[in-house]
Amino acid sequence: QVQLQESGPGLVKPSQTLSLTCTVSGGSISSGSYYWSWIRQPAGKGLEWIGRIYTSGSTNYNPSLKSRVTISVDTSKNQFSLKLSSVTAADTAVYYCARLLKNFWSGSLDSPPYYYYYMDVWGKGTTVTVSS
Amino acid sequence: QSVLTQPPSASGTPGQRVTISCSGSSSNIGSNTVNWYQQLPGTAPKLLIYRNNQRPSGVPDRFSGSKSGTSASLAISGLQSEDEADYYCAAWDDSLNGQVFGTGTKVTVL
Repeated sequence: QVQLQESGPGLVKPSQTLSLTCTVSGGSISSGSYYWSWIRQPAGKGLEWIGRIYTSGSTNYNPSLKSRVTISVDTSKNQFSLKLSSVTAADTAVYYCARLLKNFWSGSLDSPPYYYYYMDVWGKGTTVTVSS
Repeated sequence: QSVLTQPPSASGTPGQRVTISCSGSSSNIGSNTVNWYQQLPGTAPKLLIYRNNQRPSGVPDRFSGSKSGTSASLAISGLQSEDEADYYCAAWDDSLNGQVFGTGTKVTVL
């Protein structure tokens, strides 16, 4: 059973770069049709998608964070990472990593075929506070 | 910035049926499948419904999802105390080229 675990500093100073790593255990990060995602949640607020990476290195980022975000993957370590630059207090949140499954539905008489995605495995989350 | 709109709260007594709506647009729900996540207090989100109406193994059949046009809904029938949680819808948005989440709905069992 695949498990994800976030790790990294719990406190980051304003204007610095937030760096987190997600370690995948119980399976290979390279196997199957999976993307690997980061999501965050400020205290008492909703979920915000940060971005995703495929093991080929292909990425998609939230447009609102794109200029500051880099997601990378290290298949040799079975890990993927998040870097968020120029952080402010608004970046204080619980950060989750998750596995994003890509699947294909072959369609029916009523519906054409399509791809669909969902996040089926989540890490427990790690709290990052931005403060001097 | 949540692109999908949900009611902030919903409630019911044990055994009742509760429905949560999720409103989007043609670029997200209108053209992609919807997933639902349950977040119990102090825990990470958990996949509850995928591809509009499919339940992962282990999710009780009290939970059901549906989608019509640019809206989706989650129904919880036979409400139980352990269903008290926050619920989020999610879909891919073709215009943003990214995943979008709903604003979240807190379900309270009275």
